[in-house]
Amino acid sequence: QMQLQESGPGLVKPSETLSLICTVSGDSISRLGDYWGWVRQPPGKGLEWIGSIFYSGSTYYNPSLKSRVTISMDTSNNQFSLRLTSVTTADTAVYYCTRPRDPYYGSGSQYFDSWGQGILVAVSS
Amino acid sequence: EIVMTQSPATLSVSPGERATLSCRASQSINNNLAWYQQRPGQPPRLLIHGASTRATGIPARFSGSGSGTEFTLTINSLQSEDFAVYYCQQYYNWPPFTFGPGTKVDI
Repeated sequence: QMQLQESGPGLVKPSETLSLICTVSGDSISRLGDYWGWVRQPPGKGLEWIGSIFYSGSTYYNPSLKSRVTISMDTSNNQFSLRLTSVTTADTAVYYCTRPRDPYYGSGSQYFDSWGQGILVAVSS
Repeated sequence: EIVMTQSPATLSVSPGERATLSCRASQSINNNLAWYQQRPGQPPRLLIHGASTRATGIPARFSGSGSGTEFTLTINSLQSEDFAVYYCQQYYNWPPFTFGPGTKVDI
């Protein structure tokens, strides 16, 4: 059974870079047609899609975050990562790694059928 | 960007009753809608995709309907574990994929 596990620092200072890793077990992140992504949830609030990466390395980002976000893959360790630069307190959230599903096979359209447990990242000095 | 709205914000029901949750898209999304359940302290769980297709392992008491801009999630005979927050998400027009603000189902 495929599992996702987030890891990284729980506290980041304002203006610095948030870096998280998602370790995937039970599946290969380079499997043909698969996507991998990140969604976040500020405390007590709703869900926000951050971005996704296709098995080929193509990336899709939320326009509201695009200038600050990078998602990349490390196939040798079966991991993918999130990097968010110039963070502010508004970036405080639980960050979930996810496995999106594309119902149209390569279109980029995505819903999210598997989720990690999430990691709370606080931005504070 | 497609804006998703959900109503009501909170729905109070008793165990064994039926709950009906609504989700509306700011423009037509055909049937490109997913529903998620989130229990306290847990990640979201996919319930429904394609507006009406139950995800693997989801009980039959959960059903989805709708197309275009209006969608409904129905939970029949509510169980204690169904008291949670429910989110809808569109995947028709992106980026970004957008979620509704959620409906809390409580006792």
